[in-house]
Amino acid sequence: EPEVTQTPSHQVTQMGQEVILRCVPISNHLYFYWYRQILGQKVEFLVSFYNNEISEKSEIFDDQFSVERPDGSNFTLKIRSTKLEDSAMYFCASIPGSWGYGYTFGSGTRLTVV
Amino acid sequence: GENVEQHPSTLSVQEGDSAVIKCTYSDSASNYFPWYKQELGKRPQLIIDIRSNVGEKKDQRIAVTLNKTAKHFSLHITETQPEDSAVYFCAANPRASYDKVIFGPGTSLSVIP
Repeated sequence: EPEVTQTPSHQVTQMGQEVILRCVPISNHLYFYWYRQILGQKVEFLVSFYNNEISEKSEIFDDQFSVERPDGSNFTLKIRSTKLEDSAMYFCASIPGSWGYGYTFGSGTRLTVV
Repeated sequence: GENVEQHPSTLSVQEGDSAVIKCTYSDSASNYFPWYKQELGKRPQLIIDIRSNVGEKKDQRIAVTLNKTAKHFSLHITETQPEDSAVYFCAANPRASYDKVIFGPGTSLSVIP
């Protein structure tokens, strides 16, 4: 069964440093997402991406965050200057197209900001 | 924006009993309602979903019901097994959007052998 791949699985970074989280969505999927989950809490929407541009973003996704799909396969989330409160599990997800499809989530990147 | 509430937050049942988790949503335009299961330390995985043109859907021991008028939907798990122990999240798409789903806060289900 096709999988969404995320790297790294765990990243520890100093506050104020930049981090890049990487995802390889399923190859024929068209819509891509980043969600995050603070430990023990609910899964929160960050951003959706379609046709090489952001289609929607949440209020969490401020100017410190950016996404891109540089080479048609990788889908990255960059946090420019990390804060302690950015510590969370970050999940990438994708769907084949349009609405009414359940997400295929990646295995997640646990980001710890110290 | 869409708000998804979920009850109960924790649920403990004896193996073999049924479990019911209920969710309500606020956006009457929502038309897609997935349920995800998340085991400890793992990713959320889709277990069942329902679209607004259907009132009920079953898949083996799992069923979901939808009441669009009341804006609530429920997950029913029959003949529970210890491997059903996990956190379950309901979700809904706001403004009938394909852009995102909004998740409920989750229900931690424990099945006691």
